[in-house]
Amino acid sequence: QSALTQPASVSGSPGQSITISCTGTSSDVGTYNLVSWYQHHPGKAPKLMIYEGTKRPSGVSNRFSGSKSGNTASLTISGLQAEDEADYYCCSYAGSSSVVFGGGTKLTVL
Amino acid sequence: QVQLVQSGAEVKKPGASVKVSCKVSGYTLTELSMHWVRQAPGKGLEWMGGFDPEDGETIYAQKFQGRVTMTEDTSTDTAYMELSSLRSEDTAVYYCATDLNGGYLYYFDYWGQGTLVTVSS
Repeated sequence: QSALTQPASVSGSPGQSITISCTGTSSDVGTYNLVSWYQHHPGKAPKLMIYEGTKRPSGVSNRFSGSKSGNTASLTISGLQAEDEADYYCCSYAGSSSVVFGGGTKLTVL
Repeated sequence: QVQLVQSGAEVKKPGASVKVSCKVSGYTLTELSMHWVRQAPGKGLEWMGGFDPEDGETIYAQKFQGRVTMTEDTSTDTAYMELSSLRSEDTAVYYCATDLNGGYLYYFDYWGQGTLVTVSS
């Protein structure tokens, strides 16, 4: 499987909103509503932020939201805060019990 | 609440094998579908394989087939990931990861702390 495509970097000022895209194919993102998003700070374990495309785990701020259109999933972070600065990865079920991650996006809060 | 505690850092020579462990507490291993994910320096997360709850088998990413073996010791609630024929490109942090929904939704809300494997001559 090929990795899902994410922008290498995005940036925004505190209080602004940003969106990170995650483009797959009809074999993964386009077919299954099983996209998850992870926040990863260097040296720490990844943290689940969104699952099943749009659902937030308990404890995750409602500033984080997920959506999907066709073969592209998106993560939107509103009201950017300094603590949001991290790497973000999308992940999708790809059929046959397999999973594929995106290449990751580095979010910089200016 | 699930806790996943992994074994310590390893340094291996090219061609050797490494076996990383992931000890489960809070739940039994039989209640979970364990997966393994790695991150090489400067690279993204990469799924290596995991347990398929539909048929009770372990599925490996095509890239690692033939070199990776994922096993479980249910008597100690410990999962293992063994990678053989190591090369420098296998230098990475290896994570075990799971969820509490039986593994049918393929997301990971619990992660081990990571194990650094360094492959160097």
